[in-house]
Amino acid sequence: KAGVTQTPRYLIKTRGQQVTLSCSPISGHRSVSWYQQTPGQGLQFLFEYFSETQRNKGNFPGRFSGRQFSNSRSEMNVSTLELGDSALYLCASSLLAENTGELFFGEGSRLTVL
Amino acid sequence: AQTVTQSQPEMSVQEAETVTLSCTYDTSESNYYLFWYKQPPSRQMILVIRQEAYKQQNATENRFSVNFQKAAKSFSLKISDSQLGDTAMYFCAFGAQGGSEKLVFGKGTKLTVNP
Repeated sequence: KAGVTQTPRYLIKTRGQQVTLSCSPISGHRSVSWYQQTPGQGLQFLFEYFSETQRNKGNFPGRFSGRQFSNSRSEMNVSTLELGDSALYLCASSLLAENTGELFFGEGSRLTVL
Repeated sequence: AQTVTQSQPEMSVQEAETVTLSCTYDTSESNYYLFWYKQPPSRQMILVIRQEAYKQQNATENRFSVNFQKAAKSFSLKISDSQLGDTAMYFCAFGAQGGSEKLVFGKGTKLTVNP
């Protein structure tokens, strides 16, 4: 069974640009969550999608947005990039039906903002 | 709001020895899960062990076990017979049961296993 796939793995952007990151969950998983990981703040929850609906949102500005498609694939977008947006963005999927709370993580997309 | 605190930013242990990583949390939820996740260098995060709050018995997975003290809101991870492959960042995480898959993570403990 394929794991969670995130693309691109690495990208470099400049301030003011926007970026779109993609996440393909494990087959059959309907919940996709996004986390931002930085050395200073650690892992912070961005948002969670289930059946194309945002179920929960973390404390991030509106520049951070996301969506989920009917095949459960998800994208997140960051507009008007700032230096502080440099981070590893992790996507995680879960099989809600089991209600285990266990997340399966992708390898992440490392964003560098110059 | 839930908080998770890991008070040991870095730890080291000799191969084959035992090490314990600490974690405390704060919540008003009655039903929840606690997790330890491992993030090896440049590799993806994987689940090490999981504990349901309603279970009094401590979870065990091979060389990994937890000491769950619900009243004290403490959730430590013990790694026995440490191996070089255990070198990684270890994150303690809290998840409320039902409704959302949001996890609240601690800042992590960097564990180095020395040969």
